[in-house]
Amino acid sequence: GDSVTQMEGPVTLSEEAFLTINCTYTATGYPSLFWYVQYPGEGLQLLLKATKADDKGSNKGFEATYRKETTSFHLEKGSVQVSDSAVYFCALSDRGSGYSTLTFGKGTMLLVSP
Amino acid sequence: DAGVTQSPTHLIKTRGQQVTLRCSPKSGHDTVSWYQQALGQGPQFIFQYYEEEERQRGNFPDRFSGHQFPNYSSELNVNALLLGDSALYLCASTYTGTGLYGYTFGSGTRLTVV
Repeated sequence: GDSVTQMEGPVTLSEEAFLTINCTYTATGYPSLFWYVQYPGEGLQLLLKATKADDKGSNKGFEATYRKETTSFHLEKGSVQVSDSAVYFCALSDRGSGYSTLTFGKGTMLLVSP
Repeated sequence: DAGVTQSPTHLIKTRGQQVTLRCSPKSGHDTVSWYQQALGQGPQFIFQYYEEEERQRGNFPDRFSGHQFPNYSSELNVNALLLGDSALYLCASTYTGTGLYGYTFGSGTRLTVV
C-alpha cells in the first residue's frame, strides 16, 4: 500500500538557519504530493503541493520539488523564523486508486529559537 | 468564506459510551473525509463520504460509522468507546473534481476517553 516516510524530529534550528525536512514515498499510482503544517492546538493547513514529476511547490518561502526518480518531496526553506515552529506533515494523494484520500507521514516537529 | 467547521471542540467521554462528532464542509465542497490523529502521530484515514454514501474506508472497526446529509455536512459516530479512541478527530473537505489539489481541514475535535 501507499506510505510516506519522514525524518524524525524534533528539528531544532536557530532563526535564519536553512531548513530541510526529508520525505520519501511509496505509491502504486501517480500521486500528488503535499506538505501540511500544524500549529499547536490547531488543525492542518496546506502549505504547498505538487501534482506531477519535477513540479516545484512553493509558499511562504517554503519549497519542495517532486522527484519521481528518487520518490522524494523534501521540504526546504532558506531562512526560518520563530513563527515557523510547528509540526510538518508530508502526504500523498493517489488518484490511481480511484479515490482521492490522503496518506500522511508521522510528522516532523520544527523548533526555531531566536 | 467559512472553512471547515467542526463541533464540538473538545469532548470527554467514559469508556463504553457512544459519541457523535459533526462537520460542516467548506462552501462548494461535496466530499468529506474523517481522520484520526493520535498524539504524536500523523492523521489516519477513517472514511470518506460522497453523495451521502461511504465511498472508501480505512482500517477502522465497525464501531466507527458515519453519515453525510444532503447539505454535504457529515457526522462521525463511535460506539463502545475505548481508551485508545482518545485522539484528535479531523474532518477534511474537498470538491471531488479537484481532489488532487488537496483538502481543507477543520481544527478538529479533541476526544478524551476516560
